[in-house]
Amino acid sequence: SQTIHQWPATLVQPVGSPLSLECTVEGTSNPNLYWYRQAAGRGLQLLFYSVGIGQISSEVPQNLSASRPQDRQFILSSKKLLLSDSGFYLCAWRYGRNTGELFFGEGSRLTVL
Amino acid sequence: GQQVMQIPQYQHVQEGEDFTTYCNSSTTLSNIQWYKQRPGGHPVFLIQLVKSGEVKKQKRLTFQFGEAKKNSSLHITATQTTDVGTYFCAGSRDDKIIFGKGTRLHILP
Repeated sequence: SQTIHQWPATLVQPVGSPLSLECTVEGTSNPNLYWYRQAAGRGLQLLFYSVGIGQISSEVPQNLSASRPQDRQFILSSKKLLLSDSGFYLCAWRYGRNTGELFFGEGSRLTVL
Repeated sequence: GQQVMQIPQYQHVQEGEDFTTYCNSSTTLSNIQWYKQRPGGHPVFLIQLVKSGEVKKQKRLTFQFGEAKKNSSLHITATQTTDVGTYFCAGSRDDKIIFGKGTRLHILP
């Protein structure tokens, strides 16, 4: 069966510090991968998605970047965090075709102080 | 760019009353999906609609996809306390999946 792991689950970071959130998928190959951010009580904002290794599509120009160094690994990074980067970050995957449900990780709750 | 609007943002209903949330896209969609997120949890897939005018039912939940494939609705009949959460629609166009802002459902006992 397929599983998705996302970590860390919770982190508190000072403004200006770097960030690295990791997401891995097991049990499938060549998945489409997604990073979403959810501000407190708000909707899901698509940040990045990837259809293959090294292929990253950015939806919102901002203080974040994403990388896909391996087929089932998706990393969200920042060199210098801003207060506005606080939120609930969700990684998701789906089968690599133009249809099908998203499977979400448990999420990473980031607080920037 | 592609936008998906969802209304209402919040809905309070008495237990046993019906509930409906509406979703509209600025562009024609390949398909539309609905998700439910419980407080503190992650979104969980409910259903996908692909065909123009499609209607699907899951027990007390009825999902519709508009003829132009630009709007959708979710209707819950006779709400129960277990229906509490935020319901999101998500429009799919190629590999991009854009979510609406969600409708948060509160059930009054």
